[in-house]
Amino acid sequence: ETGVTQTPRHLVMGMTNKKSLKCEQHLGHNAMYWYKQSAKKPLELMFVYNFKEQTENNSVPSRFSPECPNSSHLFLHLHTLQPEDSALYLCASSQDLGTVSYEQYFGPGTRLTVT
Amino acid sequence: GQNIDQPTEMTATEGAIVQINCTYQTSGFNGLFWYQQHAGEAPTFLSYNVLDGLEEKGRFSSFLSRSKGYSYLLLKELQMKDSASYLCAVRFLSGGYNKLIFGAGTRLAVHP
Repeated sequence: ETGVTQTPRHLVMGMTNKKSLKCEQHLGHNAMYWYKQSAKKPLELMFVYNFKEQTENNSVPSRFSPECPNSSHLFLHLHTLQPEDSALYLCASSQDLGTVSYEQYFGPGTRLTVT
Repeated sequence: GQNIDQPTEMTATEGAIVQINCTYQTSGFNGLFWYQQHAGEAPTFLSYNVLDGLEEKGRFSSFLSRSKGYSYLLLKELQMKDSASYLCAVRFLSGGYNKLIFGAGTRLAVHP
């Protein structure tokens, strides 16, 4: 247990569905991240929030929409996805982006399959 | 651009020593991390280097040479449970914030 939880752990959705991924951290951190992990590819940073403010959007398609209502919760809203969006989606948190030395704590991920 | 290279796969024998290399080219450098990821699980933090030299933590050690853009993770007294992917990640400043980019990972298989 890393102190970061994600739900659901597995999700199968059609291309016309709308679903949301949820991440919650119990570590008192102020920065939260969404990553995409596809087979045999590096972890791809998608979004970063620092003190609830989005600080980074790595050219992610608009069919992915993040939401960060407070420093402990992060959502990723999904709509009209494509089969190539099938991947493991990992949430992470860290103290904040300005801390000199920080490590990111990862959640267990949501395995997403788009049919 | 930013680039991190590490071998795709390695194999080793239980009880042996293995070294996993990582080379990087980034616009700026503010620290290097190693993470371990077992299949189907989240990455977990192993080590952090920001100055040149060796950091030792039990059976695991990590080395950094900033001038060469090079790091390695050394695993001693290998155990079967060390079979996992090992991710090298580099932090650099961009737009006033620290960013972290990951290599594709090295999948290590430990055999009896």
